[in-house]
Amino acid sequence: DGGITQSPKYLFRKEGQNVTLSCEQNLNHDAMYWYRQDPGQGLRLIYYSQIVNDFQKGDIAEGYSVSREKKESFPLTVTSAQKNPTAFYLCASSITASRETDTQYFGPGTRLTVL
Amino acid sequence: AQSVAQPEDQVNVAEGNPLTVKCTYSVSGNPYLFWYVQYPNRGLQFLLKYITGDNLVKGSYGFEAEFNKSQTSFHLKKPSALVSDSALYFCAVRDRNNAGNMLTFGGGTRLMVKP
Repeated sequence: DGGITQSPKYLFRKEGQNVTLSCEQNLNHDAMYWYRQDPGQGLRLIYYSQIVNDFQKGDIAEGYSVSREKKESFPLTVTSAQKNPTAFYLCASSITASRETDTQYFGPGTRLTVL
Repeated sequence: AQSVAQPEDQVNVAEGNPLTVKCTYSVSGNPYLFWYVQYPNRGLQFLLKYITGDNLVKGSYGFEAEFNKSQTSFHLKKPSALVSDSALYFCAVRDRNNAGNMLTFGGGTRLMVKP
């Protein structure tokens, strides 16, 4: 988990509220990713960013939004449009997004629960 | 399209015995393959990866994995299991023919090592 921090560790949200999950890295990586983990389903890609001020939708982007204003930061907002937001959210980074051999390294995760 | 299957939800092994966690993949071209481990309420930790060359890849904590192209498999192995190896293990694949660094993860296999 070294080099990538996520906060908060646990987050509770009422239905209808937007919440923002923080992800910061000090690895000087260009690429950053957000995944959602549900039991028995592995990880699914929400959004990724290859460089500052650029990001792309992943497989399950509906109901989520991101920004990449700084190289080290890639916050994820879970909007009220996300129908089933309760999950474990993982942020990752890699040196680049274009070089296929680059390893993705993960943060410790944020567990979001909708009450 | 790329996909990964981890056919066993759980693997049980006694401490000191060898362990195998299975992974099969499907890609249109040649694969890059990764193994990650996840401890409870933590992010994923990188164990090892296969890029090219020797089919037997050695990684962290005494783990190794064997790439078998004819069987499209990348099974994770360890000669002697420790209780501390108990965790959730994920296999991931990337197709060399796909641009970018997008990983597809399997559903995970829970390894239980009993004393």
